[in-house]
Amino acid sequence: AQSVTQLGSHVSVSEGALVLLRCNYSSSVPPYLFWYVQYPNQGLQLLLKYTSAATLVKGINGFEAEFKKSETSFHLTKPSAHMSDAAEYFCAVSDGVGFQKLVFGTGTRLLVSP
Amino acid sequence: GAGVSQSPSNKVTEKGKDVELRCDPISGHTALYWYRQSLGQGLEFLIYFQGNSAPDKSGLPSDRFSAERTGGSVSTLTIQRTQQEDSAVYLCASSLQSSYNEQFFGPGTRLTVL
Repeated sequence: AQSVTQLGSHVSVSEGALVLLRCNYSSSVPPYLFWYVQYPNQGLQLLLKYTSAATLVKGINGFEAEFKKSETSFHLTKPSAHMSDAAEYFCAVSDGVGFQKLVFGTGTRLLVSP
Repeated sequence: GAGVSQSPSNKVTEKGKDVELRCDPISGHTALYWYRQSLGQGLEFLIYFQGNSAPDKSGLPSDRFSAERTGGSVSTLTIQRTQQEDSAVYLCASSLQSSYNEQFFGPGTRLTVL
């Protein structure tokens, strides 16, 4: 079965600093990988997805992620953090046909200080 | 509607009682998914529907959990004889069709079992 591991349950950055949220995956087949964001009391929103087209994936709100097969990683980055980026971020891998059954990591809460 | 809606938003129940959680998917979405978000556990896949049938029930944790979908639209997740470990946020998502379309998530139902 596929799985993902998110390193760090909490990440703190200052406004304007680089954001780096780590995700490593385990998959026996070429994976479909996703990053979702969850704001308080809201559902999850898709930030970006990797579907084997390009290794550097650009998403919404200035986020991007790079698929590195050699490192089995799919880390999420943003060059300059904004206060509004404070939220919980989930990495996920598809465990089945297409995007049907998503297996999520335990999440990383991003804290942004002024 | 504009998005996936879930009701109730919060549910407090006593151990041993049955509860029903409702999900209204985005109009026209044929695929529907249930996930459970427990503290420290991330999100767990529970079940997915394509139309009114459930090809994958593999994530339902016990036979106390069941789900149905009628008319290819509304879905109900039922938990019988609730236990304290059932306390979690239950998230519903829908997509246009199951294979390669983004899942849109609702805000969730927070279930507390006393």
